[in-house]
Amino acid sequence: GQQVQQSPASLVLQEGENAELQCNFSSTATRLQWFYQHPGGRLVSLFYNPSGTKHTGRLTSTTVTNERRSSLHISSSQTTDSGTYFCAIVGGSNYKLTFGKGTLLTVTP
Amino acid sequence: GGIITQTPKFLIGQEGQKLTLKCQQNFNHDTMYWYRQDSGKGLRLIYYSITENDLQKGDLSEGYDASREKKSSFSLTVTSAQKNEMAVFLCASSIRQNSDYTFGSGTRLLVI
Repeated sequence: GQQVQQSPASLVLQEGENAELQCNFSSTATRLQWFYQHPGGRLVSLFYNPSGTKHTGRLTSTTVTNERRSSLHISSSQTTDSGTYFCAIVGGSNYKLTFGKGTLLTVTP
Repeated sequence: GGIITQTPKFLIGQEGQKLTLKCQQNFNHDTMYWYRQDSGKGLRLIYYSITENDLQKGDLSEGYDASREKKSSFSLTVTSAQKNEMAVFLCASSIRQNSDYTFGSGTRLLVI
């Protein structure tokens, strides 16, 4: 089946530093989403980005479809960015969203 | 804006018990999903439903039943709770199968 690998598994930054989260997947993605989960909270969709680059605020998502990878860049990190970031894909004719195991980000003051 | 509500927020059950989790959305979304989240394992799809009265098995459907009796609600039943089981069950909805998801805040299950 489809596989989604995220790296790093966890990351600790000081406030103000930039973060780069990676997502690699085993099959061509017809859809790719990045989600954020606050500790103990619901998942919030950050980007719906099957290809190309998208920006919102301090976040940038870049997906290179034919290389089967996507990245999430967080600039000037803040303590409120702490939480788990998930990458998820839908591949081929399969309608199921397959999730990676997430990257746990901790931003310290 | 709409909202997706999961009840209960916390559920403590006993081994062997049948437990039902509920999910309601008022987005008028066609497709609804149930995922299970275990620590360190990401999210795994249990069941999904493309429309009212439709049910599709996910990767983790064994040990679960689901029901989509109306468009706005999707229920999940743990048919026989396993001792020491601890997980978060997340419900989601989307306009159609290949569009953006909205998640509920989850039901946290503990089986004693």
